[in-house]
Amino acid sequence: LAKTTQPISMDSYEGQEVNITCSHNNIATNDYITWYQQFPSQGPRFIIQGYKTKVTNEVASLFIPADRKSSTLSLPRVSLSDTAVYYCLWTRGAGNKLTFGGGTRVLVKP
Amino acid sequence: EAQVTQNPRYLITVTGKKLTVTCSQNMNHEYMSWYRQDPGLGLRQIYYSMNVEVTDKGDVPEGYKVSRKEKRNFPLILESPSPNQTSLYFCASSLLGSAAVSSYNEQFFGPGTRLTVL
Repeated sequence: LAKTTQPISMDSYEGQEVNITCSHNNIATNDYITWYQQFPSQGPRFIIQGYKTKVTNEVASLFIPADRKSSTLSLPRVSLSDTAVYYCLWTRGAGNKLTFGGGTRVLVKP
Repeated sequence: EAQVTQNPRYLITVTGKKLTVTCSQNMNHEYMSWYRQDPGLGLRQIYYSMNVEVTDKGDVPEGYKVSRKEKRNFPLILESPSPNQTSLYFCASSLLGSAAVSSYNEQFFGPGTRLTVL
């Protein structure tokens, strides 16, 4: 069964960089690594997705080593509004089936 | 505005009283899905639909029904709700329902429906 492992929680301060690492030992060749963000009482929101190496968008960066058994989501200069739960997922092919794990609860403090 | 809407947002009902939670998207997406979110269990997929008249079970389909008669709507039906179906429910949609190895279809989630079954 496909499974990801990530820390349960992390604390940070405004302006710092937050790095969340996720392990996905059983990832398959066609799987993409995807991260979602969820605020309390809201639906998850797509942040970033990658297959290998590094991907960057206006919100975050995603680092994926060559063996693809882990990935690191990097949130640069976080603000209080980045306090949320971040889910690491893998998605196969078209990625329609999402299997969420427990997520990492990130708390950004002033 | 492109969005996924759900109604109602909050519902308190009693055991055995049939209910329907509606889901609608205005993005012409083929794929739609229902999830439930429970503390300590994360989000789990209930049912999904790859296109009109095409539905399939997710990880926790027991006690639920769905239909996809129109592309934009994907209602979730609880024929005889029970207290263990008390949960936060999310509907989601994405552009394509067919497998495309080289692409990923971002899923857009609705605002959620908090259901309490007494």
